[in-house]
Amino acid sequence: EVQLVESGGGLVQPGGSLRLSCSASGFIFSTYYMHWVRQAPGKGLEYVSAIIGNGGYTFYAESVKGRFTISRDNSKNMVFLQMSSLRYEDTAFYYCVKDSTSGWYFDDWGQGTLVTVSS
Amino acid sequence: QSALTQPRSVSGSPGQSVTISCTGTSRDVGNYNYVSWYQQHPGKAPKVMIYDVSKRPSGVPDRFSGSKSGNTASLTISGLQVEDEADYYCCSYAGSVYVFGTGTKVTVL
Repeated sequence: EVQLVESGGGLVQPGGSLRLSCSASGFIFSTYYMHWVRQAPGKGLEYVSAIIGNGGYTFYAESVKGRFTISRDNSKNMVFLQMSSLRYEDTAFYYCVKDSTSGWYFDDWGQGTLVTVSS
Repeated sequence: QSALTQPRSVSGSPGQSVTISCTGTSRDVGNYNYVSWYQQHPGKAPKVMIYDVSKRPSGVPDRFSGSKSGNTASLTISGLQVEDEADYYCCSYAGSVYVFGTGTKVTVL
């Protein structure tokens, strides 16, 4: 069974930094793209970032490009999201998401970790 | 990377059919057959219902179906059931990144 467990969320001031972690199990981690998707409280889903299986390529939404960095450690089955220059509008639940086995979609999601940017 | 446009809400009685539209552009929906649909119940993580425009993952009831024409994709729920009441989001590949729709609340009357 696939399990994705996020951690690292919390309260941070505008302009601050935070590092999210996602621990994965139940699949061959190094062979899958991994993604981060966020959802502001009571709002819709927003795509954030992706990283390919070997970590060689990364992709970002325009809204976070230059401020967020995705990375992974395949020896520990973990993916990370380093967030800096945080803004009020970055407040959201951040979901760790596994790429699909058979198509262009997301087939497993974590339960999310809440990041609150507030002074 | 603007969000795809969905109606804010749709509703129907049990047994009826509802259709949710998802309008994008030639840079996303219109350019790739990689549209997926996600169901989200309150407080829960999203769950994929349709992928690659019209394919259903194992375990998803066949009352859920998807289609696409030009820059607009659609999700149809036939034979609406109480448990289908949830938020639904479309999502399209847009060339290295994905873009989600604005979300539609489906209410079962």
